[in-house]
Amino acid sequence: KQEVTQIPAALSVPEGENLVLNCSFTDSAIYNLQWFRQDPGKGLTSLLLIQSSQREQTSGRLNASLDKSSGRSTLYIAASQPGDSATYLCAVTPGSGYALNFGKGTSLLVTP
Amino acid sequence: DAGVTQSPTHLIKTRGQQVTLRCSPKSGHDTVSWYQQALGQGPQFIFQYYEEEERQRGNFPDRFSGHQFPNYSSELNVNALLLGDSALYLCASSLGQRRGYTFGSGTRLTVV
Repeated sequence: KQEVTQIPAALSVPEGENLVLNCSFTDSAIYNLQWFRQDPGKGLTSLLLIQSSQREQTSGRLNASLDKSSGRSTLYIAASQPGDSATYLCAVTPGSGYALNFGKGTSLLVTP
Repeated sequence: DAGVTQSPTHLIKTRGQQVTLRCSPKSGHDTVSWYQQALGQGPQFIFQYYEEEERQRGNFPDRFSGHQFPNYSSELNVNALLLGDSALYLCASSLGQRRGYTFGSGTRLTVV
């Protein structure tokens, strides 16, 4: 059974810092990996999707990398802003099957 | 371009009752998946519908059932509600069964 772990569980940083969120998964036979953002009590907003054949994806201040063989992905956020405060979730689509397997998320607080 | 629409946004039900949640997928999407998210946890996969059939089911009892209509919209039904069914229910749509997912804002179900 695929297990997805996100470290740290919570993170507080001052505005302007660059930061890295980590995601690890136990079964490297994945189809793709997706990073989401969730504001309190709200739905999920897709940030980046990385196919299993890709190494990284970038969107604005966000960069996600994937090392499938080691079962790791990182989400890099440059020049953090208070509006980045949210929970960030990592989810993998398995090599077979369709269910997204989620981590518990990293709760990020960016202080002015 | 309408995203994923879920209704209602909030719902309070009594233990033992039945509830129906509704989801309209993003325009152009043909696959709908449902997830349950307890407080402080990552979403858990309930099931996926494609071509009006349940294609995969997560570890949820038969009290959870669903349906997909010819216009790709979907319903999630939960019978004999338990207090533990209180959660945020998320609908996700995609074009095909393993592409990137777009999530709705969710339905907050409270069972009292």
